[in-house]
Amino acid sequence: AQKVTQAQTEISVVEKEDVTLDCVYETRDTTYYLFWYKQPPSGELVFLIRRNSFDEQNEISGRYSWNFQKSTSSFNFTITASQVVDSAVYFCALRWAGGGNKLTFGTGTQLKVEL
Amino acid sequence: AAGVIQSPRHLIKEKRETATLKCYPIPRHDTVYWYQQGPGQDPQFLISFYEKMQSDKGSIPDRFSAQQFSDYHSELNMSSLELGDSALYFCASSPRQGLEGTQYFGPGTRLTVL
Repeated sequence: AQKVTQAQTEISVVEKEDVTLDCVYETRDTTYYLFWYKQPPSGELVFLIRRNSFDEQNEISGRYSWNFQKSTSSFNFTITASQVVDSAVYFCALRWAGGGNKLTFGTGTQLKVEL
Repeated sequence: AAGVIQSPRHLIKEKRETATLKCYPIPRHDTVYWYQQGPGQDPQFLISFYEKMQSDKGSIPDRFSAQQFSDYHSELNMSSLELGDSALYFCASSPRQGLEGTQYFGPGTRLTVL
């Protein structure tokens, strides 16, 4: 079965702390894509990053970094020096070769960054 | 950069009424997707279209139908509305239908059924 698990329901940090959001996925396909989306309180879904199953190179983009490890089926997301504007629900999502067009989302992690 | 446009942004309907949601994809995107997000839940895939043809179908109720028009905009038609249809409805578009096509989401239409 194809599945995305985000075990952390809610995380609270103080501004400037680093925070890592965990994502574990399951798929039998060898070809798949993983995504992270951000949903701020205003409700829109904002695309952050995409990774395919053949590219395990980790990426850093400003304060964001992603750690993709096929050996542990994980695609974790780290925010360094968190800011109040980072407060949002973060969704990890999976799209696999045999799954048609749909994205399968995890249940999301609510991140609250406080002053 | 142009984004996905959805209208209306908010919609209030009574039970058993009908609703039509509209989606205008990013220019030159030929694939459109619809998702439903209930309160406190993750988005659930409903249906997708590629080049005006239905390309995939998810957990879309029979009371719902959708289509993509020649200008690539899409409409989701919902009939016999139920209280449980209250949700945020997202449209997304991608520049290609393949696995690698990133889906860019619109701001959503918040439907409330009373």
